[in-house]
Amino acid sequence: AQKVTQAQTEISVVEKEDVTLDCVYETRDTTYYLFWYKQPPSGELVFLIRRNSFDEQNEISGRYSWNFQKSTSSFNFTITASQVVDSAVYFCALSEALRAAGNKLTFGGGTRVLVKP
Amino acid sequence: DTGVSQDPRHKITKRGQNVTFRCDPISEHNRLYWYRQTLGQGPEFLTYFQNEAQLEKSRLLSDRFSAERPKGSFSTLEIQRTEQGDSAMYLCASSSGTSDTEAFFGQGTRLTVV
Repeated sequence: AQKVTQAQTEISVVEKEDVTLDCVYETRDTTYYLFWYKQPPSGELVFLIRRNSFDEQNEISGRYSWNFQKSTSSFNFTITASQVVDSAVYFCALSEALRAAGNKLTFGGGTRVLVKP
Repeated sequence: DTGVSQDPRHKITKRGQNVTFRCDPISEHNRLYWYRQTLGQGPEFLTYFQNEAQLEKSRLLSDRFSAERPKGSFSTLEIQRTEQGDSAMYLCASSSGTSDTEAFFGQGTRLTVV
């Protein structure tokens, strides 16, 4: 069975500080995908980034970057120079690549990020 | 707007009543998912359609829950004889037919059973 754990329930920072969100996952699959979604107060889950299991290259996309380490089953996410608009709940999610249910997602419990001006 | 659309956004119902939610996916997406999210938790998978076929149902989906996707377009989720424990946000998502693409979510329907 798949499992995603986000140990941090809430993080509070001052604007322009960096924020790193931790995510640890469990899966028996050798091929899988990892995602980060953002859920602002409006409720809609907004896709941020995706990484597949066979590509451990870490990347930066604007103010977002991620650190994927297969050896420790971790997929951490960093927001650089945080802004008030980054305040939201962030979810890490996992999907198996080769299964009948498409890309059904298993979510972590979420980390609430509060960016203070 | 070409995103995922859900209706209604909010629903308050009395215990024991039936409710039905609608989801309109992104038009070219053949995969449609329903998730349930309770307060302070991550979304949990309920069911999945590929076109009009319902291919997987979670154990969370009791006999009181039924979902349909006639003609492979919009989908409905019905809850019969609602209970207070059904109070949650019901999220719909859609994706295209490849396994490596992200799912796009609607804004959800928040159900309150009183």
